[in-house]
Amino acid sequence: GQNIDQPTEMTATEGAIVQINCTYQTSGFNGLFWYQQHAGEAPTFLSYNVLDGLEEKGRFSSFLSRSKGYSYLLLKELQMKDSASYLCAVRPRGNNDMRFGAGTRLTVKP
Amino acid sequence: DAGVTQSPTHLIKTRGQQVTLRCSPKSGHDTVSWYQQALGQGPQFIFQYYEEEERQRGNFPDRFSGHQFPNYSSELNVNALLLGDSALYLCASSLASRGFTGELFFGEGSRLTVL
Repeated sequence: GQNIDQPTEMTATEGAIVQINCTYQTSGFNGLFWYQQHAGEAPTFLSYNVLDGLEEKGRFSSFLSRSKGYSYLLLKELQMKDSASYLCAVRPRGNNDMRFGAGTRLTVKP
Repeated sequence: DAGVTQSPTHLIKTRGQQVTLRCSPKSGHDTVSWYQQALGQGPQFIFQYYEEEERQRGNFPDRFSGHQFPNYSSELNVNALLLGDSALYLCASSLASRGFTGELFFGEGSRLTVL
């Protein structure tokens, strides 16, 4: 199976940088995804990693190490609107579904 | 370009009743997946439909069933509702040709409360 672990909650200050970690156990997968979900809203796609390394997209970056079963999402220049839950998800090899972690609730304070 | 739309947005049922939730995928998408999200948890995969057939199923009982129509829209049916079925039900669409790299596009969800 796939165990996906993320911290439950994090707090950071506006303008700062925060790193949200995700570890997973899987025998093989087709990619790791990060989603953002504001309270009461739909999850929205942030990033996708299939190879080791860093993918940068504006203020958000995502890193993957397949050998370590580890990923992180890096948010720079935090804004108040970044307060949300961040979901780490893997797509297991040979499967069409996506398996989600419980999410990390980030609170950005002034 | 319409995104994923779901209806109803909120509904309340009592134990033992049946419910039908509806989803229209993002324009151009042909695959629909359904997820259940309990409060404070990540979405849990229920099943996926492609070409009007259930392509894959998660660890949910047979009380959960679905359907996909020729226009790619989909329904989720839950029979004999239990209190534990109270959750946000998310529909997500994707494009089969994108394969495993394709991201999911989610609707706003249907919040079901079972009393």
